[in-house]
Amino acid sequence: AQSVTQLGSHVSVSEGALVLLRCNYSSSVPPYLFWYVQYPNQGLQLLLKYTTGATLVKGINGFEAEFKKSETSFHLTKPSAHMSDAAEYFCAVGNTGNQFYFGTGTSLTVIP
Amino acid sequence: DTGVSQDPRHKITKRGQNVTFRCDPISEHNRLYWYRQTLGQGPEFLTYFQNEAQLEKSRLLSDRFSAERPKGSFSTLEIQRTEQGDSAMYLCASSLTPPDGNTIYFGEGSWLTVV
Repeated sequence: AQSVTQLGSHVSVSEGALVLLRCNYSSSVPPYLFWYVQYPNQGLQLLLKYTTGATLVKGINGFEAEFKKSETSFHLTKPSAHMSDAAEYFCAVGNTGNQFYFGTGTSLTVIP
Repeated sequence: DTGVSQDPRHKITKRGQNVTFRCDPISEHNRLYWYRQTLGQGPEFLTYFQNEAQLEKSRLLSDRFSAERPKGSFSTLEIQRTEQGDSAMYLCASSLTPPDGNTIYFGEGSWLTVV
């Protein structure tokens, strides 16, 4: 069985501060891991993904995430928050059959 | 690559009416997925197609829901006798067949409000 837990349904950071959104997964097989971003009234846009290879992956808009197998984590970070980063962020785990399981999301607020 | 497109983007309907949503996937993608998302939740899987074949349906997909992909291109999701609990965003996504494609790409979603 696969599942995703996103710690913190709401995160607030000041503009220019570090963004850290937490994601832990459970999977009985080596997972594919994803972060998607959703702006109000829109669909989900892929930020970044880990499938194989380098455990630190870089995505769009300056975001990156590190796959840590020992911690079953895939936390999303960005060194300096921008106002345009305010959105809902979803972590997802997928398998080789493209079955995706999503977390409940973290709403990021950026304070000017 | 024009992305996944969905229509309509918003639909308000009275309880008991039928509604239909359309999804056009990325053109070379042979897999198409439907998800449902309610406020404060992540997307929940409903069903998916491999070309025209519907290969899996979630138990969330009651008998009032039906999805088709007749020619393996666009897909429709119909909800009959809508209930207020059907109010949600219905998301379509597409991908290549694994292992060629391990990422699903979403459309903008179709918001349904049942009054």
